[in-house]
Amino acid sequence: EIVLTQSPGTLSLSPGERATLSCRASQSVNSGFLAWYQQKPGQAPRLLIYDASTRATGIPDRFSGSGSGTAFTLTISKLEPEDFAVYYCQHYGSSPQTFGGGTKVEIK
Amino acid sequence: QVQLVQSGAEVKEPGASVKVSCKASGYTFTGYHMHWVRQAPGHGLEWMGWINPNSGGTNYAQKFQGRVTMTRDTSVSTAYMELSSLRSDDTAVYYCASRGGGPPLGCWGQGTLVTVSS
Repeated sequence: EIVLTQSPGTLSLSPGERATLSCRASQSVNSGFLAWYQQKPGQAPRLLIYDASTRATGIPDRFSGSGSGTAFTLTISKLEPEDFAVYYCQHYGSSPQTFGGGTKVEIK
Repeated sequence: QVQLVQSGAEVKEPGASVKVSCKASGYTFTGYHMHWVRQAPGHGLEWMGWINPNSGGTNYAQKFQGRVTMTRDTSVSTAYMELSSLRSDDTAVYYCASRGGGPPLGCWGQGTLVTVSS
């Protein structure tokens, strides 16, 4: 089973700042099959990025994903008020699929 | 548009079973795996497994083997997840999710809260 470790656990930033979220895998993720989700309280997760770097439909270009192998990054170039939420990474290249523990991006 | 609509909240006693439904619309139901993911209060996301609506084949996370059963009814484009021998730590929001013709897990249901309490 691939274990995904996200860091930091909490990121305290101000609107307009850049956010960099990390997701490290315990073994290489097949073909870069890594996704990022955003979740707000009381809502279902929303897909932001898949295949490590492809933005889902309707996702603003301030969100970008990068990485390969065992190290992946989600970057939010300039935080908007609606971006404060919890972010999860997930791999789907092998079974079982697993999620990281999440990074909370909070307003400083 | 692609949509997954789940059944309503449930309250169950320890030891009971719960069956959650997920009705798909806006895409070919049999074309894409339906996944189930749960989230305990204040915790992260946990992948439970998937069902292939075309063949009925399943792939369960080892943690849930023996307790979870995923089924489907193609006549009504609905997937089901049944969890048995419920414990208090099964209290969670249960989500169905599918690619629905788009990217992996691009579409999620609204979630179903299952509360296990005596």
